[in-house]
Amino acid sequence: EAGVAQSPRYKIIEKRQSVAFWCNPISGHATLYWYQQILGQGPKLLIQFQNNGVVDDSQLPKDRFSAERLKGVDSTLKIQPAKLEDSAVYLCASSLEFQGGHNEQFFGPGTRLTVL
Amino acid sequence: QKEVEQNSGPLSVPEGAIASLNCTYSDRGSQSFFWYRQYSGKSPELIMFIYSNGDKEDGRFTAQLNKASQYVSLLIRDSQPSDSATYLCACNRGSTLGRLYFGRGTQLTVWP
Repeated sequence: EAGVAQSPRYKIIEKRQSVAFWCNPISGHATLYWYQQILGQGPKLLIQFQNNGVVDDSQLPKDRFSAERLKGVDSTLKIQPAKLEDSAVYLCASSLEFQGGHNEQFFGPGTRLTVL
Repeated sequence: QKEVEQNSGPLSVPEGAIASLNCTYSDRGSQSFFWYRQYSGKSPELIMFIYSNGDKEDGRFTAQLNKASQYVSLLIRDSQPSDSATYLCACNRGSTLGRLYFGRGTQLTVWP
């Protein structure tokens, strides 16, 4: 079974530039998550989709970050404009549809973003 | 107060020893608890999950949950150098539709 795919793996941009990350979840996984992991910290949820609807974006800096999941499969996370503090690894994870109780999330390899 | 706190590392143990990793959480509504292993430069990998009070064993790994004390731990028996990684504790509050709250991780080094 193929895992969660992400691209690009690395990205270096100047501050105020724009950047986009792509994620393809595990086949059949209805729930998709984007996490931000700053060096030395645990992952922090940015946004959670269930199918193509947003169920939690409370931690997403909406003035500069946006995400979409058209057709309930692939997802794109965009930052525009980027700030120095956005330097982090952006992790995509997926799980089966959440139906209460618990769910196991599987992570992709991540995209390491450096903002200069 | 942070949602999930982990014992400060780094933790260093000799090969063959038991490594003990600890985690506390602040929300009594938390229902599910997860341990992820993260090698340097890699993404988190699920090791174990636990939902009920008590112990859960899987090979060399044992997760322990005490909801009254809001405490979760992971024991690694017969530690191997390949166990050297950062271990992330996470919890799911149930009411938040699957969202995981992660601790900042404990770095474990197993020396030969």
